[in-house]
Amino acid sequence: GQQVMQIPQYQHVQEGEDFTTYCNSSTTLSNIQWYKQRPGGHPVFLIQLVKSGEVKKQKRLTFQFGEAKKNSSLHITATQTTDVGTYFCAGVSYNTDKLIFGTGTRLQVFP
Amino acid sequence: GAGVSQSPRYKVAKRGQDVALRCDPISGHVSLFWYQQALGQGPEFLTYFQNEAQLDKSGLPSDRFFAERPEGSVSTLKIQRTQQEDSAVYLCASSVRPLEQYFGPGTRLTVT
Repeated sequence: GQQVMQIPQYQHVQEGEDFTTYCNSSTTLSNIQWYKQRPGGHPVFLIQLVKSGEVKKQKRLTFQFGEAKKNSSLHITATQTTDVGTYFCAGVSYNTDKLIFGTGTRLQVFP
Repeated sequence: GAGVSQSPRYKVAKRGQDVALRCDPISGHVSLFWYQQALGQGPEFLTYFQNEAQLDKSGLPSDRFFAERPEGSVSTLKIQRTQQEDSAVYLCASSVRPLEQYFGPGTRLTVT
């Protein structure tokens, strides 16, 4: 079945450093969504990417969808302690609305 | 407005007991999803509804799991004869397709 992998599994950074997580799907996606889950919380939607090669920015966060619509990345510039949490990509295949979540990248930021 | 709510927030069941988990989606949201999230893992898809129709139940782990949404709003996930491997957080999400999903706080199920 469809699989979505993310690397790295964990990332510890000093506040102010940059952070990137990479997401790869075994199948071509209709769109990809990114979610953030704080410790003890539930996933919260960040963004959706639909077009091949699309790049979207939200303040210090930059999201990219690959040309083949099978991979994506999230880059955070100058991390802050409020960025702590687990970042999940979630792929949507064609002809379905269900999300297949990636394995997640847990980000820890040290002040 | 109110977000997605789930009840109970915590449930402890003895192995073999049946449990019922409730989800109240955001009013007007057509699509409703159930996920299972084990500790340290990403949410895993269980099933989803569009209104009252269950369009995909491919993620339900066994026939002990059953979900319904009879009037197209509130949904219940039922687990019969619970086993220890059923211990997880069960998340419900709703959406106005094809946009983002809004998640509830989850029900943490512990089977002893």
